[in-house]
Amino acid sequence: AQSVTQLDSHVSVSEGTPVLLRCNYSSSYSPSLFWYVQHPNKGLQLLLKYTSAATLVKGINGFEAEFKKSETSFHLTKPSAHMSDAAEYFCVVSSSGGYQKVTFGTGTKLQVIP
Amino acid sequence: GAGVSQSPSNKVTEKGKDVELRCDPISGHTALYWYRQSLGQGLEFLIYFQGNSAPDKSGLPSDRFSAERTGGSVSTLTIQRTQQEDSAVYLCASNSAGVRTGELFFGEGSRLTVL
Repeated sequence: AQSVTQLDSHVSVSEGTPVLLRCNYSSSYSPSLFWYVQHPNKGLQLLLKYTSAATLVKGINGFEAEFKKSETSFHLTKPSAHMSDAAEYFCVVSSSGGYQKVTFGTGTKLQVIP
Repeated sequence: GAGVSQSPSNKVTEKGKDVELRCDPISGHTALYWYRQSLGQGLEFLIYFQGNSAPDKSGLPSDRFSAERTGGSVSTLTIQRTQQEDSAVYLCASNSAGVRTGELFFGEGSRLTVL
Protein backbone atom coordinates (compact mmCIF):
# COMPACT_ATOMS: atom_id res chain seq x y z
CA ALA A 1 0.00 0.00 0.00
CA GLN A 2 1.13 3.54 -0.57
CA SER A 3 -0.10 6.98 0.36
CA VAL A 4 0.87 10.61 0.19
CA THR A 5 0.10 13.34 2.69
CA GLN A 6 0.47 16.99 1.82
CA LEU A 7 0.43 18.72 5.14
CA ASP A 8 -0.83 22.11 3.98
CA SER A 9 -3.78 22.72 1.69
CA HIS A 10 -2.85 26.40 1.30
CA VAL A 11 0.48 28.22 1.64
CA SER A 12 0.89 31.96 1.31
CA VAL A 13 4.28 33.64 0.90
CA SER A 14 5.51 37.08 -0.06
CA GLU A 15 7.31 37.52 -3.35
CA GLY A 16 11.04 37.04 -2.86
CA THR A 17 10.72 34.90 0.29
CA PRO A 18 11.39 31.15 0.53
CA VAL A 19 8.81 28.52 -0.34
CA LEU A 20 8.33 25.26 1.57
CA LEU A 21 5.63 22.79 0.56
CA ARG A 22 5.55 19.69 2.72
CA CYS A 23 4.97 16.11 1.66
CA ASN A 24 5.16 12.82 3.53
CA TYR A 25 4.72 9.44 1.92
CA SER A 26 4.42 5.76 2.72
CA SER A 27 5.22 2.94 0.35
CA SER A 28 5.81 -0.78 0.60
CA TYR A 29 8.31 -0.64 -2.24
CA SER A 30 11.22 1.60 -3.11
CA PRO A 31 9.22 4.56 -4.30
CA SER A 32 9.63 7.07 -7.04
CA LEU A 33 8.50 10.51 -5.92
CA PHE A 34 7.38 13.48 -7.95
CA TRP A 35 6.15 17.01 -7.68
CA TYR A 36 3.73 18.27 -10.33
CA VAL A 37 2.50 21.83 -10.77
CA GLN A 38 -0.87 22.89 -12.13
CA HIS A 39 -1.46 26.48 -13.14
CA PRO A 40 -5.09 27.65 -13.33
CA ASN A 41 -7.04 25.99 -16.14
CA LYS A 42 -3.96 24.09 -17.27
CA GLY A 43 -2.86 20.46 -17.22
CA LEU A 44 -0.28 19.11 -14.82
CA GLN A 45 3.40 19.62 -15.51
CA LEU A 46 6.26 17.66 -13.98
CA LEU A 47 8.37 19.87 -11.72
CA LEU A 48 10.91 17.29 -10.56
CA LYS A 49 11.33 13.61 -9.75
CA TYR A 50 13.27 11.32 -7.43
CA THR A 51 14.04 7.84 -8.71
CA SER A 52 16.65 6.47 -6.26
CA ALA A 53 19.59 8.45 -7.56
CA ALA A 54 20.71 11.65 -5.78
CA THR A 55 18.54 12.49 -2.78
CA LEU A 56 18.56 16.22 -3.55
CA VAL A 57 16.67 16.73 -6.75
CA LYS A 58 16.64 19.93 -8.77
CA GLY A 59 13.70 20.76 -10.96
CA ILE A 60 12.48 23.47 -13.24
CA ASN A 61 11.99 27.12 -12.26
CA GLY A 62 14.43 26.96 -9.35
CA PHE A 63 12.53 24.37 -7.33
CA GLU A 64 14.22 21.50 -5.54
CA ALA A 65 13.24 18.68 -3.21
CA GLU A 66 15.12 16.43 -0.84
CA PHE A 67 14.26 12.76 -0.34
CA LYS A 68 14.65 11.85 3.33
CA LYS A 69 14.00 8.17 3.84
CA SER A 70 14.31 8.34 7.63
CA GLU A 71 11.58 10.97 7.75
CA THR A 72 9.61 9.58 4.78
CA SER A 73 9.48 13.11 3.45
CA PHE A 74 9.94 14.81 0.10
CA HIS A 75 9.44 18.51 0.78
CA LEU A 76 9.53 21.01 -2.07
CA THR A 77 11.51 24.22 -1.66
CA LYS A 78 12.48 27.34 -3.55
CA PRO A 79 14.76 30.07 -2.18
CA SER A 80 12.79 33.00 -3.56
CA ALA A 81 9.15 32.97 -4.66
CA HIS A 82 8.07 34.62 -7.88
CA MET A 83 4.56 35.73 -8.77
CA SER A 84 4.47 33.13 -11.55
CA ASP A 85 4.89 30.37 -8.94
CA ALA A 86 1.29 30.84 -7.81
CA ALA A 87 -0.31 27.50 -8.66
CA GLU A 88 -1.36 24.19 -7.17
CA TYR A 89 1.33 21.67 -6.39
CA PHE A 90 0.86 17.91 -6.12
CA CYS A 91 3.18 15.43 -4.46
CA VAL A 92 3.02 11.99 -6.06
CA VAL A 93 4.36 8.54 -5.18
CA SER A 94 4.75 5.67 -7.62
CA SER A 95 5.56 2.13 -6.67
CA SER A 96 8.16 0.24 -8.61
CA GLY A 97 6.68 -3.13 -7.74
CA GLY A 98 3.88 -4.59 -9.78
CA TYR A 99 2.17 -2.13 -12.07
CA GLN A 100 2.94 1.52 -11.76
CA LYS A 101 0.35 2.51 -9.21
CA VAL A 102 0.50 6.27 -9.00
CA THR A 103 -0.94 8.03 -5.96
CA PHE A 104 -1.50 11.77 -5.75
CA GLY A 105 -1.57 13.95 -2.70
CA THR A 106 -4.52 16.30 -2.23
CA GLY A 107 -2.54 19.31 -3.42
CA THR A 108 -1.20 22.53 -1.94
CA LYS A 109 -2.32 25.88 -3.32
CA LEU A 110 0.54 28.36 -3.29
CA GLN A 111 -0.36 32.04 -3.13
CA VAL A 112 2.37 34.60 -3.76
CA ILE A 113 1.74 38.06 -2.37
CA PRO A 114 3.37 41.00 -4.15
CA GLY B 1 1.19 13.86 -31.63
CA ALA B 2 3.75 15.48 -29.41
CA GLY B 3 1.66 15.37 -26.24
CA VAL B 4 -1.44 13.83 -24.72
CA SER B 5 -4.51 15.16 -26.47
CA GLN B 6 -7.96 15.24 -24.91
CA SER B 7 -11.30 16.15 -26.43
CA PRO B 8 -13.57 17.90 -26.00
CA SER B 9 -11.84 20.52 -23.89
CA ASN B 10 -15.21 21.67 -22.59
CA LYS B 11 -18.53 19.86 -22.51
CA VAL B 12 -21.81 21.13 -21.13
CA THR B 13 -24.59 18.59 -20.93
CA GLU B 14 -27.97 18.10 -19.33
CA LYS B 15 -28.53 15.76 -16.45
CA GLY B 16 -29.39 12.27 -17.67
CA LYS B 17 -27.50 12.50 -20.97
CA ASP B 18 -24.54 10.29 -21.85
CA VAL B 19 -21.11 11.79 -22.58
CA GLU B 20 -17.93 10.45 -24.12
CA LEU B 21 -14.50 11.88 -23.39
CA ARG B 22 -11.56 10.99 -25.57
CA CYS B 23 -7.88 10.66 -24.82
CA ASP B 24 -5.13 10.27 -27.39
CA PRO B 25 -1.91 9.38 -25.55
CA ILE B 26 1.65 10.00 -26.61
CA SER B 27 2.58 7.63 -29.40
CA GLY B 28 4.17 4.46 -28.03
CA HIS B 29 2.98 4.94 -24.46
CA THR B 30 1.45 1.68 -23.34
CA ALA B 31 0.10 2.86 -19.99
CA LEU B 32 -2.87 5.21 -19.80
CA TYR B 33 -4.62 6.65 -16.73
CA TRP B 34 -7.85 8.55 -16.19
CA TYR B 35 -8.24 10.91 -13.24
CA ARG B 36 -11.04 13.17 -12.09
CA GLN B 37 -10.46 16.57 -10.49
CA SER B 38 -13.48 18.14 -8.88
CA LEU B 39 -13.58 21.80 -7.85
CA GLY B 40 -11.25 22.31 -4.92
CA GLN B 41 -10.34 18.62 -4.77
CA GLY B 42 -7.22 16.67 -5.55
CA LEU B 43 -6.90 14.11 -8.29
CA GLU B 44 -9.12 11.07 -7.97
CA PHE B 45 -7.86 7.95 -9.76
CA LEU B 46 -10.45 6.34 -12.02
CA ILE B 47 -8.86 3.64 -14.15
CA TYR B 48 -5.52 2.40 -15.47
CA PHE B 49 -4.89 0.73 -18.82
CA GLN B 50 -1.90 -1.32 -19.83
CA GLY B 51 -2.31 -1.83 -23.55
CA ASN B 52 -5.99 -2.54 -24.14
CA SER B 53 -6.67 -4.17 -20.79
CA ALA B 54 -7.55 -2.45 -17.54
CA PRO B 55 -5.84 -4.19 -14.62
CA ASP B 56 -7.06 -1.54 -12.22
CA LYS B 57 -10.49 0.01 -12.55
CA SER B 58 -11.02 0.35 -8.84
CA GLY B 59 -11.54 4.10 -9.00
CA LEU B 60 -14.61 4.13 -11.24
CA PRO B 61 -17.25 5.67 -8.94
CA SER B 62 -20.28 3.78 -10.24
CA ASP B 63 -21.48 1.50 -13.01
CA ARG B 64 -22.46 4.60 -14.97
CA PHE B 65 -18.76 5.05 -15.68
CA SER B 66 -16.91 2.89 -18.18
CA ALA B 67 -13.79 3.17 -20.27
CA GLU B 68 -12.20 1.34 -23.11
CA ARG B 69 -9.02 1.49 -25.05
CA THR B 70 -8.53 0.19 -28.56
CA GLY B 71 -5.42 -0.51 -30.56
CA GLY B 72 -3.32 0.23 -27.50
CA SER B 73 -3.82 3.89 -28.22
CA VAL B 74 -6.97 6.02 -27.97
CA SER B 75 -9.14 5.67 -24.89
CA THR B 76 -12.73 6.72 -24.36
CA LEU B 77 -14.30 7.41 -20.97
CA THR B 78 -18.08 7.14 -21.07
CA ILE B 79 -20.42 8.48 -18.43
CA GLN B 80 -24.02 7.34 -18.76
CA ARG B 81 -27.02 9.17 -17.33
CA THR B 82 -24.86 12.04 -16.11
CA GLN B 83 -25.52 13.58 -12.72
CA GLN B 84 -24.59 17.01 -11.43
CA GLU B 85 -21.94 15.50 -9.16
CA ASP B 86 -20.16 14.24 -12.28
CA SER B 87 -19.17 17.83 -13.06
CA ALA B 88 -15.39 17.93 -12.94
CA VAL B 89 -12.25 18.09 -15.05
CA TYR B 90 -11.34 14.67 -16.39
CA LEU B 91 -7.62 14.29 -16.90
CA CYS B 92 -5.86 11.66 -18.96
CA ALA B 93 -2.20 10.74 -18.60
CA SER B 94 0.11 8.28 -20.26
CA ASN B 95 3.57 6.86 -19.86
CA SER B 96 5.79 4.13 -21.17
CA ALA B 97 5.85 1.00 -19.04
CA GLY B 98 9.41 0.49 -20.18
CA VAL B 99 10.44 3.41 -17.98
CA ARG B 100 9.33 2.29 -14.57
CA THR B 101 9.60 5.63 -12.84
CA GLY B 102 5.93 6.44 -12.81
CA GLU B 103 6.33 9.84 -14.47
CA LEU B 104 3.08 10.76 -16.13
CA PHE B 105 2.43 13.00 -19.09
CA PHE B 106 -0.90 14.78 -18.79
CA GLY B 107 -3.36 16.20 -21.23
CA GLU B 108 -5.03 19.51 -20.48
CA GLY B 109 -8.25 17.82 -19.47
CA SER B 110 -11.89 17.78 -20.44
CA ARG B 111 -14.07 20.05 -18.33
CA LEU B 112 -17.52 18.52 -17.92
CA THR B 113 -20.44 20.59 -16.65
CA VAL B 114 -23.72 18.82 -15.97
CA LEU B 115 -26.66 21.18 -15.69
